[in-house]
Amino acid sequence: QQKVQQSPESLTVSEGAMASLNCTFSDGTSNNFRWYRQHSAKGLEVLVSIFSDGEKEEGRFTAHLNRANLHVSLHIREPQPSDSAVYLCAPYMGYKLTFGTGTSLLVDP
Amino acid sequence: EAAVTQSPRNKVTVTGGNVTLSCRQTNSHNYMYWYRQDTGHGLRLIHYSYGAGNLQIGDVPDGYKATRTTQEDFFLLLELASPSQTSLYFCASSDWGVYEQYFGPGTRLTVL
Repeated sequence: QQKVQQSPESLTVSEGAMASLNCTFSDGTSNNFRWYRQHSAKGLEVLVSIFSDGEKEEGRFTAHLNRANLHVSLHIREPQPSDSAVYLCAPYMGYKLTFGTGTSLLVDP
Repeated sequence: EAAVTQSPRNKVTVTGGNVTLSCRQTNSHNYMYWYRQDTGHGLRLIHYSYGAGNLQIGDVPDGYKATRTTQEDFFLLLELASPSQTSLYFCASSDWGVYEQYFGPGTRLTVL
């Protein structure tokens, strides 16, 4: 069964500084990953979908996947206070998503 | 974009109470899912279904039943609610062969 861990648990950055979030997983056969954002226990918003090793950019959000190292990261360029939220990493194994516990990001103005 | 709605959005019940959470999706997706979200655990899969009348067990099924009555409707049943089931519940749907899951807005359940 896929296991997913995220670090750090919480992160505070200043507005405009780069924010970097990490996610490790146990099963490297997955080739379909998501990063979600969740504001204050509300619904989930898909930020980036990544399907192969390397980099995928969606606006200010860039995901890096390295399946050999069982690692996927999310980098947020020029974060804004409105980016303050919980960020969830989730690999697919077939139809099934397995979520990490999330990183709580606070962006100070 | 797929539309997934949940009702109620908030629910308070007492220990031993009977609760039904409802989910409807309007894009004729085959798969529907129920998750719970708790601090320190992320989202965990309770039950899922790949069509009307079908039910599959997820990772944390104890204390929950589910029923898929139509392509559109998926219900989560708590027949003897306990305080440990206080949580935020999400429903999601996806299409056959397309693994993108679309999430509803969530239902916050409190069991006193």
